[in-house]
Amino acid sequence: KAGVTQTPRYLIKTRGQQVTLSCSPISGHRSVSWYQQTPGQGLQFLFEYFSETQRNKGNFPGRFSGRQFSNSRSEMNVSTLELGDSALYLCASRLGFRETQYFGPGTRLLVL
Amino acid sequence: DAKTTQPNSMESNEEEPVHLPCNHSTISGTDYIHWYRQLPSQGPEYVIHGLTSNVNNRMASLAIAEDRKSSTLILHRATLRDAAVYYCILSENNAGNMLTFGGGTRLMVKP
Repeated sequence: KAGVTQTPRYLIKTRGQQVTLSCSPISGHRSVSWYQQTPGQGLQFLFEYFSETQRNKGNFPGRFSGRQFSNSRSEMNVSTLELGDSALYLCASRLGFRETQYFGPGTRLLVL
Repeated sequence: DAKTTQPNSMESNEEEPVHLPCNHSTISGTDYIHWYRQLPSQGPEYVIHGLTSNVNNRMASLAIAEDRKSSTLILHRATLRDAAVYYCILSENNAGNMLTFGGGTRLMVKP
């Protein structure tokens, strides 16, 4: 079974731009979570989607948003990029709420 | 949120056991202890989790102190592929929702 895939793997943007990241969960997994990982803050939870509905949200500004499609694929969008948004963005999927999360390799975003 | 404290780094020799400690003195009665590891250029990988009793799986063992204020991840025979950052996390449920990772312990394995 293929693992969680994320595209693109690397991205360079400039301040003020917006970016959309994509995540394809493991086949059959209905839950997708997004995380931001930085050297200073570690790994922090952004939000989780289950069956196209956002179920949980972390403490991030409204510039960070996401959605999930009927095939469970998910996208994350960051608008008006700031330098501090440079990070590794990780997606994790799982079968259901009581199951283990499986992480993808991440998208490394650099904001200049 | 209850926090965890781990050493920044540890070294081990290949094929020897490794004991990775984690302190969580403010753990609540419903917090599960999860361990993940992150290899270079990869996303985190689930290792093991437990609540009160010691746990074993094919990857590792988790020893939980009787007062639950600390735990130890045990790799029985370290290999070079075990070199990674190991994170100890508390989560209020079994599945580890909404994880927040701290600094973790960077494990270096010497051949």
